[in-house]
Amino acid sequence: DSGVTQTPKHLITATGQRVTLRCSPRSGDLSVYWYQQSLDQGLQFLIQYYNGEERAKGNILERFSAQQFPDLHSELNLSSLELGDSALYFCASSPRWSSENTIYFGEGSWLTVV
Amino acid sequence: DAKTTQPPSMDCAEGRAANLPCNHSTISGNEYVYWYRQIHSQGPQYIIHGLKNNETNEMASLIITEDRKSSTLILPHATLRDTAVYYCIVRVGGGGADGLTFGKGTHLIIQP
Repeated sequence: DSGVTQTPKHLITATGQRVTLRCSPRSGDLSVYWYQQSLDQGLQFLIQYYNGEERAKGNILERFSAQQFPDLHSELNLSSLELGDSALYFCASSPRWSSENTIYFGEGSWLTVV
Repeated sequence: DAKTTQPPSMDCAEGRAANLPCNHSTISGNEYVYWYRQIHSQGPQYIIHGLKNNETNEMASLIITEDRKSSTLILPHATLRDTAVYYCIVRVGGGGADGLTFGKGTHLIIQP
């Protein structure tokens, strides 16, 4: 158990809909990362937040957004969903933004768009 | 980030040491080498990391060459549960995104 909690574990929704994925980082971790893993793309970095502020963006679509709240939990919002958005979405956390700090991953949220 | 090169797949007999190589010839002096593994769509699991010295923990050993251009992850007594995709990642420090850039990794298959 990494200490990173993601909900829901599985989600099935229709095209055009909007969903929110939630992440609780490890206790005390200030940095949260979101990753997407689809069959043909591998693990792709989406976005990073540090202590409530966006720190870095990766390959995140404009239809997707995220935020980190004062209690440090984070949400990833996916809107106008398409079939190609079906994937595993991982949240990860680390204490700070130094490369000396290990990043720990949650077990992911399976999103299926039908 | 420095790029890494790993073999796409490897086999190892159960009970033997599994040695997974990684090349990172463009690594910079302040970049760490991290190893993660992913077992069948579970969340990536941290294994070990190092800067220039060899490292050992309860899961594995990490051997980094003196010039830091390559490293080897060693699982001393592989079990069937070690079958997974292993990712070698060079992680840039400070400034910008400091997350992890995953490549395709090595699919390690432990044979009974």
